[in-house]
Amino acid sequence: SQQGEEDPQALSIQEGENATMNCSYKTSINNLQWYRQNSGRGLVHLILIRSNEREKHSGRLRVTLDTSKKSSSLLITASRAADTASYFCATDAGYGNKLVFGAGTILRVKS
Amino acid sequence: DSGVTQTPKHLITATGQRVTLRCSPRSGDLSVYWYQQSLDQGLQFLIQYYNGEERAKGNILERFSAQQFPDLHSELNLSSLELGDSALYFCASSVRGTVNTGELFFGEGSRLTVL
Repeated sequence: SQQGEEDPQALSIQEGENATMNCSYKTSINNLQWYRQNSGRGLVHLILIRSNEREKHSGRLRVTLDTSKKSSSLLITASRAADTASYFCATDAGYGNKLVFGAGTILRVKS
Repeated sequence: DSGVTQTPKHLITATGQRVTLRCSPRSGDLSVYWYQQSLDQGLQFLIQYYNGEERAKGNILERFSAQQFPDLHSELNLSSLELGDSALYFCASSVRGTVNTGELFFGEGSRLTVL
């Protein structure tokens, strides 16, 4: 079973708009990561947030983490057509040795 | 380019057959992780090796096995293949033995089609 569940399953926006994806997880974690996957390609790490952090920024990405609600959100600002991809959250689920991925959000940015 | 190399990129075989997928981690990375991605199951963790030793096991079938060699490359062996084994198989690597400390670097995957 998957630890993280992303919401929404799919998102379609216009170029220049912001995209927000949410992730909920079930067990306590040490960190939460977000990855991007272009169609049929390998996953690319975007950002990692530790359990003692509440917010983190990287370029046009902003990630928040609420451990009390066991949830995280990924915000992509000023989206571009090149941001079209699937986005996955992943947690260590407290195990330490494996990263458990959610089902992903498919983002489509229309130009 | 993540620095993780997977071969072959595509593989088509028949039910009942056996295949071997190969992964070379990034230079300096000691951990190798194998994942299976399919439409119905999503990304499933299979197994992790660290410096030649099995470190963690996930939803890996008994028909599947893996190993990491002294030069740190890894192989995933899939035997008695079934139609449901058709999937993208990813290898990822990291420096350390746990995911607590950082990101995984993924290869481009091996797409297995079982006919």
